[in-house]
Amino acid sequence: KAGVTQTPRYLIKTRGQQVTLSCSPISGHRSVSWYQQTPGQGLQFLFEYFSETQRNKGNFPGRFSGRQFSNSRSEMNVSTLELGDSALYLCASSAGGPQETQYFGPGTRLLVL
Amino acid sequence: GQNIDQPTEMTATEGAIVQINCTYQTSGFNGLFWYQQHAGEAPTFLSYNVLDGLEEKGRFSSFLSRSKGYSYLLLKELQMKDSASYLCAVRADYKLSFGAGTTVTVRA
Repeated sequence: KAGVTQTPRYLIKTRGQQVTLSCSPISGHRSVSWYQQTPGQGLQFLFEYFSETQRNKGNFPGRFSGRQFSNSRSEMNVSTLELGDSALYLCASSAGGPQETQYFGPGTRLLVL
Repeated sequence: GQNIDQPTEMTATEGAIVQINCTYQTSGFNGLFWYQQHAGEAPTFLSYNVLDGLEEKGRFSSFLSRSKGYSYLLLKELQMKDSASYLCAVRADYKLSFGAGTTVTVRA
């Protein structure tokens, strides 16, 4: 089975711009979770989508949003980018049950200048 | 929310054993996961515990005590390639929360 894929892998934006990141889960997985990873804060949960519905949300401002399509692919959007949004954005997919293992994609490294 | 604590750094010699402890406080516990993350790469799944006791997978073992809010990851017969960050993650109410990670350095 192919693993989780994320595009793009690297991105450079300037403050005030917006960005859309894409995640394709492992075939058959219906849950996609997004995380932000920075050296200072570690891995922080953004949100989780299951069957096109946001099932859980972390403590991030409304500038961070996401959606999931009927084929389970997910996108996250960050509007009005700030310097502090520079990070590695990881998505992880699972079958969706509460004890299911999450498998991570390679991540998108975002640099905001 | 969850409060997850693990040591920041550990150093060990090739061939030795290292134990990484993780303590947590949570409600709605659904399981504890350990991930390995090499620098610049994504986390990869190592182990999962939902019941008390020891789970063994080759050179890696993980232990859980739910009543104590405690887990450890045991790495045996350390190899240079085991130098990485090890993340303890607690699943509760469909949300996975991560500790800050323990950087393990293996020396020859």
